[in-house]
Parts: sequence; C-alpha cells; structure tokens
Amino acid sequence: ETGVTQSPTHLIKTRGQQVTLRCSSQSGHNTVSWYQQALGQGPQFIFQYYREEENGRGNFPPRFSGLQFPNYSSELNVNALELDDSALYLCASSLAFAGPTGELFFGEGSRLTVL
Amino acid sequence: DAKTTQPPSMDCAEGRAANLPCNHSTISGNEYVYWYRQIHSQGPQYIIHGLKNNETNEMASLIITEDRKSSTLILPHATLRDTAVYYCIASNQGGKLIFGQGTELSVKP
Repeated sequence: ETGVTQSPTHLIKTRGQQVTLRCSSQSGHNTVSWYQQALGQGPQFIFQYYREEENGRGNFPPRFSGLQFPNYSSELNVNALELDDSALYLCASSLAFAGPTGELFFGEGSRLTVL
Repeated sequence: DAKTTQPPSMDCAEGRAANLPCNHSTISGNEYVYWYRQIHSQGPQYIIHGLKNNETNEMASLIITEDRKSSTLILPHATLRDTAVYYCIASNQGGKLIFGQGTELSVKP
C-alpha cells in the first residue's frame, strides 16, 4: 500500500473520445508524475506537476494534458483518443525538494482500452 | 538520464540470492542509480537507490562498482513473491524517471 489511489481502475473508450483519469497523492506529497505503460514495455514519463504547475514533460503530444489541485490530487486528460493510447496509466507521488533521491510512490494504475 | 542495459530475463531458485546486473557506462557524476520492481498488474515499487557507496535496506543490497559504470541488485533470499520485472534507472531528475525494459526475474521453487 503506497497511499496513492487511482480511478477508474479499468475503462473502455472508442477512438476520438476523451478520457479523464484521477489520482490522489500520498498524504504530504506535493508532486505528481504520470506515466504510460504499454503492454510489455516499461513505463514512459508523460509529465510532472508541482504546486499546480507542469514541471517537465516527456515526448507526448499536447492532447495529453493534466491538472493538479490545491490538495495535490491530479488529473490526466487525453483528447481525441487513438488506438495506441491503450495502456496502463500510472500516477506516482513524491515530495519535491527531496532532490534526485526522492522515492516515487506509484498507484495501481488505470487500464485504458481504446476500441 | 543515462541509458541502462539489463538482461531481459533471469531465473533464481527460491531461498538463494538473486543477483541482478545493470550496466550504465554513460552515467554522469550526479546521477543516482535507482531500482524499482513491478509485480504483474501492479504499479512499480521502489526498492533502493545509491550514488557511489553500496547501500542496504530491508529489501535488498545495491553494489555499485568504483567507476560507477555498473551495479548489481542483490535479493539475499529470494522468495516466490520476488518474481517481478526489475528496472534499473540512472537519473538525477527526481520523479522524471526513464524506465527501460527491465529484467524479468522468475523465482522457482
């Protein structure tokens, strides 16, 4: 148990639709990172939020967007879904300014299937 | 982040030590070596990290070579529950980790 919760756990969408995934951070953590994990691959960094601002982004198009709220919970939004967006989406919380040694605490993920 | 290279799979007998190698020959001086593992259908779990010195915690030991170009994660007494994909990451980017393909460790009775 990491204290990081994600919802929904599973969902199915059709191509072109939009999806919102949610994450509640571990208590006291002010930084949230999102990752996409395709089947058989390692997680790929999407972006990170610190104090409600985007703080770094991986190689993902603008249709992947996010929000972080004052209570440090977060949302990942994906517009115009494509078949290749089918993946496990992982949220990880951490405490910023723990430096590069900061441990990430991952949730169990939201599995998105795009048909 | 420096690129890391790991064997795609390894087997280990239950109760024996599992030694998982990782090469990171281009690691820079301020990059840490992190190890995470992912049990099937779960989120990754932090195991250990280090910069230069060997490290040990309740889960594992991390041995980093003096030139820092490679490291070994040691699970001293592997159990069936240690069956997972193990990721070695070299980074100084906090939560912005670059995961590779990892090593799939199978612990067998």
